[in-house]
Amino acid sequence: KAGVTQTPRYLIKTRGQQVTLSCSPISGHRSVSWYQQTPGQGLQFLFEYFSETQRNKGNFPGRFSGRQFSNSRSEMNVSTLELGDSALYLCASSLGQEQETQYFGPGTRLLVL
Amino acid sequence: SQQGEEDPQALSIQEGENATMNCSYKTSINNLQWYRQNSGRGLVHLILIRSNEREKHSGRLRVTLDTSKKSSSLLITASRAADTASYFCATGRATSSNTGKLIFGQGTTLQVKP
Repeated sequence: KAGVTQTPRYLIKTRGQQVTLSCSPISGHRSVSWYQQTPGQGLQFLFEYFSETQRNKGNFPGRFSGRQFSNSRSEMNVSTLELGDSALYLCASSLGQEQETQYFGPGTRLLVL
Repeated sequence: SQQGEEDPQALSIQEGENATMNCSYKTSINNLQWYRQNSGRGLVHLILIRSNEREKHSGRLRVTLDTSKKSSSLLITASRAADTASYFCATGRATSSNTGKLIFGQGTTLQVKP
């Protein structure tokens, strides 16, 4: 099976812009979770989608949003980018059962200038 | 906020030696997982131990879990240069509303010198 894929891998934006990141889960996986990784805050949970519904949400402002499509692919959007949004954004997929193993993609590295 | 704290933050050993990393967490959990990350890339799942298990092995990896102390340890035996990476513990909290949400520790950076 192909692993989790994320596009794009690298992205440079300027403050105030918005960005959309994409994640394709492992075939058959219905849950996609998103995480932000920064040197200062470490790995932080953004949100989780399961069967096109947001099932869980972390403590991030409303500028961070996401959605999931019927094929389980997911996108996350960050609007009005701030310098502090520079990070590695990781998505992970799983079958969707409670707190099971999650399989991570390679990440999208976002730099906000 | 981070659920877990890992100790040490950094570890440097020679090839062939064993490496031990510790993780402490704060709340009740369903399971605890260990992941590896190479140079800011994606995380690779290493092992999952459930709250009713005390020890688990996978190849050169041995994980222990002490729920009374809310702590876990990861032992890598006979380390290799390729084990150089950051290692994270992640917990799933014991409530159904947290399905799919893992809370990560800050990680231990392991360097294995050839």
